[in-house]
Amino acid sequence: EIVLTQSPGTLSLSPGERATLSCRASQSVSSSYLAWYQQKPGQAPRLLISGASSRATGIPDRFSGSGSGTDFTLTISRLEPEDFAVYYCQQYGSSPPDFGQGTRLEIK
Amino acid sequence: EVQLLESGGGLVQPGGPLRLSCVASGFTFSSYGLSWVRQVSGKGLEWVSTITGSGGGDTTYYADSVKGRFTISRDNSKNTVYLWMNSLRAEDSAVYYCARILNYGGNRYFFDYWGQGTLVTVSS
Repeated sequence: EIVLTQSPGTLSLSPGERATLSCRASQSVSSSYLAWYQQKPGQAPRLLISGASSRATGIPDRFSGSGSGTDFTLTISRLEPEDFAVYYCQQYGSSPPDFGQGTRLEIK
Repeated sequence: EVQLLESGGGLVQPGGPLRLSCVASGFTFSSYGLSWVRQVSGKGLEWVSTITGSGGGDTTYYADSVKGRFTISRDNSKNTVYLWMNSLRAEDSAVYYCARILNYGGNRYFFDYWGQGTLVTVSS
């Protein structure tokens, strides 16, 4: 089982700033099979990125994903007020499809 | 538009049963796998169970924490997936989300659409 560790636990930034969220895997994620999700309070998660770097339909281009092997990054280039939420990574290169514990992005 | 609508949550006593349903629309239901993912209030996401689509032979998968107690099934004529939960424990209390999967073979997939969730509370 692959364990995903997200850092930081909480990130405090202001609108307009750049956000960099990290997801580290305990072993290599096969074929960069890593996804990122956004979850706002009281809402279901929403898919942002799959395959480490492919944006899902309708996701703004200020969201980008990168990485391979054991280290992956979600970058939000210029934060909008609606981007403050919790972000989860999930690997699907091996069974079971586990999630990281999440990074809370809060307004500074 | 893809939509997933869960129902069936509620208060149940420890050791009791509960059945969750998820009605899907906006896509060819039989072709896609579906999963249940749960979230304890204020905590992270935990994958629970998956049933693949017709291409995967309706294969089922379960997290170790629910194996032997939960059963996932689907009725393609009703565009519905079910989660039959038995021997419920306090630690099963959570919001249960239904999610559509994009399958990369076996138990390897991500979740591209999610329902709004249904709350299950296990308490006496």
